[in-house]
Amino acid sequence: EVQLVESGGSLVQPGRSLRLSCAASGFSIADHAMHWVRQVPGKGLEWVSGITWNGDSTGYADSVKGRFTVSRDNGKNSLYLQMNSLRVEDTALYYCARDINGYKYFGMDVWGLGTTVTVSS
Amino acid sequence: DIQMTQSPSYVSASVGDRVTITCRASQGLSTWLAWYQQKPGKAPKLLIYSASRLRSGVPSRFSGSGSGTDFTLTISSLQPDDFAIYYCQQSHSFPALTFGGGTKVEIK
Repeated sequence: EVQLVESGGSLVQPGRSLRLSCAASGFSIADHAMHWVRQVPGKGLEWVSGITWNGDSTGYADSVKGRFTVSRDNGKNSLYLQMNSLRVEDTALYYCARDINGYKYFGMDVWGLGTTVTVSS
Repeated sequence: DIQMTQSPSYVSASVGDRVTITCRASQGLSTWLAWYQQKPGKAPKLLIYSASRLRSGVPSRFSGSGSGTDFTLTISSLQPDDFAIYYCQQSHSFPALTFGGGTKVEIK
């Protein structure tokens, strides 16, 4: 079964760091670009970051640029999001998602269930 | 940055109705546009990519059209399972992308 499972979300104080992980099973992430998307309950989707199949191109939303870093380990079939200098407004459910393409982004066809990040003092 | 504006933000419709949702981009996207459906408590589901390509397994009552700055998602005959929130997403600005604000389709 094709599956993505996120982990690492927790309650953290403003200014601290957190690392999210996304473990894939049933397929090889090496064939796909990958993304992080977040959603505040009751609000819309916000793309956070994306990375091409080989990691040579990454992109970030302006709201996280310079604070978040996406990475991948194709050998471990896993995607990561290093989140530094966290702010209250980073509080959301964070989804990991697979793109149907390996390089250019076409659309996200497999999603995890998400992991919750809460930034609060 | 490319801004994506969906309209309407809310539509009330009956089973069997034809529903059209519009997505307008602040600059040309060619056909770098996807559509998603999201139900409460669930992750989004990809419906359409490349503006008009139906993802395998998605019912044929869903269709997408458009290029450049104006795009539409059409549900030809609304079914009970279609009541959800729909989002457009552009990927022309690779390696970045953005979602539209969403359109909620509710039962009349």
